[in-house]
Amino acid sequence: NAGVMQNPRHLVRRRGQEARLRCSPMKGHSHVYWYRQLPEEGLKFMVYLQKENIIDESGMPKERFSAEFPKEGPSILRIQQVVRGDSAAYFCASSPMGTGDYEQYFGPGTRLTVT
Amino acid sequence: AQSVTQLGSHVSVSEGALVLLRCNYSSSVPPYLFWYVQYPNQGLQLLLKYTTGATLVKGINGFEAEFKKSETSFHLTKPSAHMSDAAEYFCAVSPRSEKLVFGKGTKLTVNP
Repeated sequence: NAGVMQNPRHLVRRRGQEARLRCSPMKGHSHVYWYRQLPEEGLKFMVYLQKENIIDESGMPKERFSAEFPKEGPSILRIQQVVRGDSAAYFCASSPMGTGDYEQYFGPGTRLTVT
Repeated sequence: AQSVTQLGSHVSVSEGALVLLRCNYSSSVPPYLFWYVQYPNQGLQLLLKYTTGATLVKGINGFEAEFKKSETSFHLTKPSAHMSDAAEYFCAVSPRSEKLVFGKGTKLTVNP
């Protein structure tokens, strides 16, 4: 059973460009979470999605960031007009049910560098 | 609001020595508690979790943690460190909602 897959693993963008990060959850998992890890910091929750629904986006910056999890295909985290402060590791996690009792399975992350 | 404090951003032990990584949490509701390990340039792997029941939880790779409600702590221990334990360890709390709140992490170094 393949784990959570994220691509690309490394992404370099110039300031002002768009970044698209993809996450394919584990088979059978319908809940996806995005976290951001800044240097020397722990992971910070960004958004929680189910298929075609955003359940909790309380950690998402108000501007430039958006996330989706369509009926078909991977979840996408989109960052428009990137700035240097967006440089971070972005982790996706998935779980089979959104009860809090199930562990979240993490992908390897996408490391975004903004130049 | 929930929060997690990990005491000591860096911990160094000798191979074979006791590993103790400290975690204190704040939660307005009975929490679920987790320890994750992260190896360089990799994702997070669950070591163990506490949800309900027995307060001493055993995890993978010989790690265990004890939930102490009175001390709001969930410290991670391993009796004998191995070189392969060198990694960064994160304590997290879930306030019975769907997001995890992480501490800032503790980097464990194991000296030969």
